[in-house]
Order: sequence, then structure tokens, then C-alpha cells
Amino acid sequence: QKEVEQNSGPLSVPEGAIASLNCTYSDQGSQSFFWYRQYSGKSPELIMFIYSNGDKEDGRFTAQLNKASQYVSLLIRDSQPSDSATYLCAVNMESNYQLIWGAGTKLIIKP
Amino acid sequence: NAGVTQTPKFQVLKTGQSMTLQCAQDMNHNSMYWYRQDPGMGLRLIYYSASEGTTDKGEVPNGYNVSRLNKREFSLRLESAAPSQTSVYFCASSLGIGAGTDTQYFGPGTRLTVL
Repeated sequence: QKEVEQNSGPLSVPEGAIASLNCTYSDQGSQSFFWYRQYSGKSPELIMFIYSNGDKEDGRFTAQLNKASQYVSLLIRDSQPSDSATYLCAVNMESNYQLIWGAGTKLIIKP
Repeated sequence: NAGVTQTPKFQVLKTGQSMTLQCAQDMNHNSMYWYRQDPGMGLRLIYYSASEGTTDKGEVPNGYNVSRLNKREFSLRLESAAPSQTSVYFCASSLGIGAGTDTQYFGPGTRLTVL
């Protein structure tokens, strides 16, 4: 069964520090990888996606992909209390319309 | 530009009752999706519609039916609700280019409780 694993947390990080969120996936054929943020009681919203090995930066966010080790991570620099949310990792494993989702990591930024 | 809208926002049903969840998007997207989200679990795909006129089963289709009414609208029907269908239901849409980077955009969700 194709799986996407995330540590459920909560992950507690001081304000201004770097938050590191990790995601592993089971299918070596996975094509692309998405990070979504979900505030409590709200719907998921896209942060960024990555499909090539290496780093991709967007503002304070950096996605890192290592296909050989089958993991993808999200770094949040200069963490703010407003970054407190659940972060969902999603993987497109067959280049079709279906995403496989992790259960999410709850991040808490402490002022 | 409202994006993806869903109705109703909240619903309480008794076991055995039926209901339809409505979803509409105004982004001219080709593909639409229905997910459920339960505590401690990832989003699970119920059904999706790659394009107008087509629907396909996802990971957890049992107990549900869908209709792609037109390009904008995609509804989810529970014919005989069961307590196991208590969940938060999200509708999403994407451009539907069939590529791995096709991004999904979500509606606000429907919180359904089945007693």
C-alpha cells in the first residue's frame, strides 16, 4: 500500500527559529510533492510543490527533496506565531489525478 | 472570484437519512475532487472527476455517489448515512492538466455529523 508518513507532533519551535518538517513516502516512482498548511477548522492551502531533487525556496519556506532516500522536508525560517498550523504533505505517485496525503504535523510557534 | 464554494457548512443527520453536498468552482478548472478528513488521518479521496462527464472512484467510495453536473459543479450524495460517515468533507478543484504538478485548491469544508 502506498503511504506517506509524517510525525504527528506537536512540534514546538521558538519564534524566530527554523522549523523543520519531514515527510517520507513509500513509492519510489513518486513524481511530485506538495506542502499544504491547514489552520484549525479551515481548509488546506498550498504552500509550495517540488518535483526535482534538491532545494526550492519561496520566501521564508524551503522545500527539500531527496528521491534516493524517499523523503521531502519543509523548512520555515524566522518562524512566526502565525505559522502555527498543521502541515500536510501530499505525494503524486502516478502522475495522475490522485494525491496520497500524510496525516500532517502540528506545528506550534512559541512567542 | 469565490474559488471553490461548498454548501452546507454544517449538517447533522440521523442514521439512514440521505443528503447531497454541493460544490462549485469558478476558476474554469477541469478536475474536481471529494475528500474526507478524519482526526489523525490524512485526507482520503472519495471520488474525483478528471473532466466534465467523467467520474472515478478514489480510495474510499463505498456509501457515496457523485454527479459532475457541469464543468463548475460536482456534488456528493450520501444515500443512507451511517455514523462512520461522520467527518469533514472537502471539495477541491485543479486545472486538470494531468501533470504531476497539477495543484488542487480546496473549498471551506462541510462538517457532517451522523447520529
